[in-house]
Amino acid sequence: DQQVKQNSPSLSVQEGRISILNCDYTNSMFDYFLWYKKYPAEGPTFLISISSIKDKNEDGRFTVFLNKSAKHLSLHIVPSQPGDSAVYFCAASAMGGSQGNLIFGKGTKLSVKP
Amino acid sequence: GAVVSQHPSRVICKSGTSVKIECRSLDFQATTMFWYRQFPKQSLMLMATSNEGSKATYEQGVEKDKFLINHASLTLSTLTVTSAHPEDSSFYICSAPGQGSYGYTFGSGTRLTVV
Repeated sequence: DQQVKQNSPSLSVQEGRISILNCDYTNSMFDYFLWYKKYPAEGPTFLISISSIKDKNEDGRFTVFLNKSAKHLSLHIVPSQPGDSAVYFCAASAMGGSQGNLIFGKGTKLSVKP
Repeated sequence: GAVVSQHPSRVICKSGTSVKIECRSLDFQATTMFWYRQFPKQSLMLMATSNEGSKATYEQGVEKDKFLINHASLTLSTLTVTSAHPEDSSFYICSAPGQGSYGYTFGSGTRLTVV
């Protein structure tokens, strides 16, 4: 049973538009959520995180929204750029972020068209 | 920022041989290292957690005698795939708990192909 779900395996967006990547989770004990970006044959790189005490965190073009009641989070990228094309993983932790291990979704491949 | 160096990035080995993958924390001490693997079109799945100075803890279904993990120092953790089989071909990646708000720091991954 997948505790972290990214139901869209791929997403295609035009350059300059908004990219919205979605993630759902089932474990109510998760209290820290992270988004990672991954290029082929490379390790994931950290993008942005959010604690369960917040409902929004913004960093430049990246904003993560958390809806605890719906057990849903989303990553907004605006404006999208071709260099954003990669696989995006949503991850969750039940121990405040840096202590426990991460549970990953399967990832969403984002393609930003020029 | 925190960097985890993982080697080798790619390895092809013959069935039955062993392969060692190293992860080093370059500018911080990693008392804990998480080891993941990723099969095609699947998520990163935690295999085991290594802790400096103590035995690793393995996730259910992961053979500890096949995937030997050693956390010899505060900057080095190794994963040895023993008696490798083609079904062990996968992308292996390590991760250390991050610094501050930077979450976890991942190595660059190792693509293992067993022929």
